[in-house]
Amino acid sequence: GPKVLQIPSHQIIDMGQMVTLNCDPVSNHLYFYWYKQILGQQMEFLVNFYNGKVMEKSKLFKDQFSVERPDGSYFTLKIQPTALEDSAVYFCASSLQGWEQYFGPGTRLTVL
Amino acid sequence: DAKTTQPDSMESTEGETVHLPCSHATISGNEYIYWYRQVPLQGPEYVTHGLQQNTTNSMAFLAIASDRKSSTLILPHVSLRDAAVYHCILRVGAGNTGKLIFGLGTTLQVQP
Repeated sequence: GPKVLQIPSHQIIDMGQMVTLNCDPVSNHLYFYWYKQILGQQMEFLVNFYNGKVMEKSKLFKDQFSVERPDGSYFTLKIQPTALEDSAVYFCASSLQGWEQYFGPGTRLTVL
Repeated sequence: DAKTTQPDSMESTEGETVHLPCSHATISGNEYIYWYRQVPLQGPEYVTHGLQQNTTNSMAFLAIASDRKSSTLILPHVSLRDAAVYHCILRVGAGNTGKLIFGLGTTLQVQP
């Protein structure tokens, strides 16, 4: 099936630093999503993005978070500054028309 | 957001047909029933979805009760690769934003 790629697979950073998580969505997809999953817990929605804009965000999408798709390629999640509680696996998903979402393999973020 | 109820876990044996139940007593008329599955260290994988009619694809058969208050995901002839956490999700959100609200799902174990 369609493949979503995420780069890097694992990122370790010090608290307070900035981090950018990259998502390479399915090429013709129009809707983009970020989810967060802490180990052993359920996946939680962060934000979705369409036509260059944030459509909806959850309360987990703090002011330190931002998303963009600057050149029509990578869909990025930036956290600046990072906090210890941001440690989690972040999953990107994309969708053609907002129906089936295709997920990437996740980026494991460790904040020290 | 409308909620679903699933058993925590189920066990099966290779070659069996597995029935995964989901209860959604407060489902709204315009909410679709989605099923995703997730194996450790990977992103969720879309399985199927439906509104009112039963649906079938190469992965599974989705049986939806006539009152839509419950559904059953039927996996024919399971293999070890079908061992995963199966999530029954009601699609919420305005328009086509379609954020997914995950619960803890049903952990399906498949024995050789």
